[in-house]
Amino acid sequence: GAVVSQHPSWVICKSGTSVKIECRSLDFQATTMFWYRQFPKQSLMLMATSNEGSKATYEQGVEKDKFLINHASLTLSTLTVTSAHPEDSSFYICSARELGNQETQYFGPGTRLLVL
Amino acid sequence: DQQVKQNSPSLSVQEGRISILNCDYTNSMFDYFLWYKKYPAEGPTFLISISSIKDKNEDGRFTVFLNKSAKHLSLHIVPSQPGDSAVYFCAASGGTSYGKLTFGQGTILTVHP
Repeated sequence: GAVVSQHPSWVICKSGTSVKIECRSLDFQATTMFWYRQFPKQSLMLMATSNEGSKATYEQGVEKDKFLINHASLTLSTLTVTSAHPEDSSFYICSARELGNQETQYFGPGTRLLVL
Repeated sequence: DQQVKQNSPSLSVQEGRISILNCDYTNSMFDYFLWYKKYPAEGPTFLISISSIKDKNEDGRFTVFLNKSAKHLSLHIVPSQPGDSAVYFCAASGGTSYGKLTFGQGTILTVHP
């Protein structure tokens, strides 16, 4: 149980284009999902908290207009990197918190984004 | 401001021996702690957690110890296996960051056959 998927796992795009990453909880409902990014040899940095049916909460320093988050259902959250630039290249990971379990987050496999 | 610290970037252990991974935190409001295992280019996998009302939690080969007065937790893996080789992250939540996880920098564990 507690499986989280992400799609795509790998994406290469040209500078200036937008990229959408999907995060799904496959066998549980998640009112809250989280988006992280990880730079090489660094820890996971929380970008935003995605709440089903409401606006996402962004961490300090994260541009909400650049990283659009939509949490349309209890099993799906999407992160759209708008007008991507090479400095947005990173490993993006989502996690989901199961209804009734407010503590443990289960992570997706991550999406590697390379912006040329 | 690094609220969760893993001061050992790496640890090397012989197969069959005990692996001890350490983690320190500074925020006294943290009340829930987790350990995750991560392979390169993959998402973290949940291993074990502990609430601040406990000082020990055990699950198979994995045991987490919490010392609240020292703001220190550790993960013991016994016996260590080559398949345990990965990056281990400790994470904490609680207080104003309830529901959010604050991660340490990670420790690379290598278990030699």
